[in-house]
Amino acid sequence: GDSVTQMEGPVTLSEEAFLTINCTYTATGYPSLFWYVQYPGEGLQLLLKATKADDKGSNKGFEATYRKETTSFHLEKGSVQVSDSAVYFCALLVNTGFQKLVFGTGTRLLVSP
Amino acid sequence: EADIYQTPRYLVIGTGKKITLECSQTMGHDKMYWYQQDPGMELHLIHYSYGVNSTEKGDLSSESTVSRIRTEHFPLTLESARPSHTSQYLCASSERTGHVSPLHFGNGTRLTVT
Repeated sequence: GDSVTQMEGPVTLSEEAFLTINCTYTATGYPSLFWYVQYPGEGLQLLLKATKADDKGSNKGFEATYRKETTSFHLEKGSVQVSDSAVYFCALLVNTGFQKLVFGTGTRLLVSP
Repeated sequence: EADIYQTPRYLVIGTGKKITLECSQTMGHDKMYWYQQDPGMELHLIHYSYGVNSTEKGDLSSESTVSRIRTEHFPLTLESARPSHTSQYLCASSERTGHVSPLHFGNGTRLTVT
């Protein structure tokens, strides 16, 4: 079935370091891909999305490119801040019938000053 | 910014009690969802709705029930709470369009059953 695999955390970085969080997926057809972020004590917020192969989603300095050949959607940021500390979820939208989101298990990012 | 509200934010309740978690959205979205988030952070879809009077069970079996009498309201009920129901419950909504429509989430209800 459709699934998303994320790298396990926590990912611990110093401020201004480069961030990569790996995400790969398995899906039938051509899913849309998303990154959501969850700050402590809050719900999930959409960070960025890509709806077709080679699309690049970007927001708040974060980027991810939809790579169909490697079935990947890795999240990157050139210089992280303490305020980026959160849990990041990769997700795919199953575009059959109801269009439900399938989430990865989440990766916790901890950024220290 | 999305307008979807969940109450209460935190709830501690004893075993056997009946509880209702409230979820309301003011965006006129047709689709609504309930996700259960376990302590390991993983999210599981437990209920969803296409619109008024439409409810379906999700991927994870749940003893909870939902109703959708009004577009903006999608409450979740547990008739008899148990410690195994301790979790965070997240409500979400999205537009019903032919295009990809992202989910908008509430801040969640953290339920503890003692």
